[in-house]
Amino acid sequence: DQQVKQNSPSLSVQEGRISILNCDYTNSMFDYFLWYKKYPAEGPTFLISISSIKDKNEDGRFTVFLNKSAKHLSLHIVPSQPGDSAVYFCAASESNFGNEKLTFGTGTRLTIIP
Amino acid sequence: DGGITQSPKYLFRKEGQNVTLSCEQNLNHDAMYWYRQDPGQGLRLIYYSQIVNDFQKGDIAEGYSVSREKKESFPLTVTSAQKNPTAFYLCASTPSLVFSSYNEQFFGPGTRLTVL
Repeated sequence: DQQVKQNSPSLSVQEGRISILNCDYTNSMFDYFLWYKKYPAEGPTFLISISSIKDKNEDGRFTVFLNKSAKHLSLHIVPSQPGDSAVYFCAASESNFGNEKLTFGTGTRLTIIP
Repeated sequence: DGGITQSPKYLFRKEGQNVTLSCEQNLNHDAMYWYRQDPGQGLRLIYYSQIVNDFQKGDIAEGYSVSREKKESFPLTVTSAQKNPTAFYLCASTPSLVFSSYNEQFFGPGTRLTVL
């Protein structure tokens, strides 16, 4: 049972435009959400996170939106750059304590077209 | 430099052999995790350890074993009982509860295991 879903396996976006990556979850106990970026043959690196008490968190070109009633979050990257080409995973946990387990989605491969 | 190291980067083994993947961190993190990544499957949790000498099964623990004798080290053994061991294995850690109130996990570079 996939509790965190990323329904788009891949996405192509023109350089300079906005990239929107989507993530849905089913577990209503999830309270904290993260986005990770992963290049081939490397470990994921943390990008941005959001707590359920917020509906938006911004960090430079990256903004995460959370719609708790719809159990949906999205990552916006604007403007998109070639270095953004990677696989993006969303992850969720039931708290933001340091040793809480994360449940990951299946990932979306983003390709930025120059 | 502080970080998480996994060695080797690539590992080949014959079917039926046990193999141990190394994960070491010098971040002074209490919690450590093992994931495997398969195409189209995302990251799936194998085992995790919140403190030395303690560990719990994740979602896909069958055919794997771990130990946590030292804070810095969390080796994963892929046993011959694991039916489909070929995958990319990732180790991660998070800071202690005492020093942090967030659960960003820091990942190592991964080990690609191929069983022939």
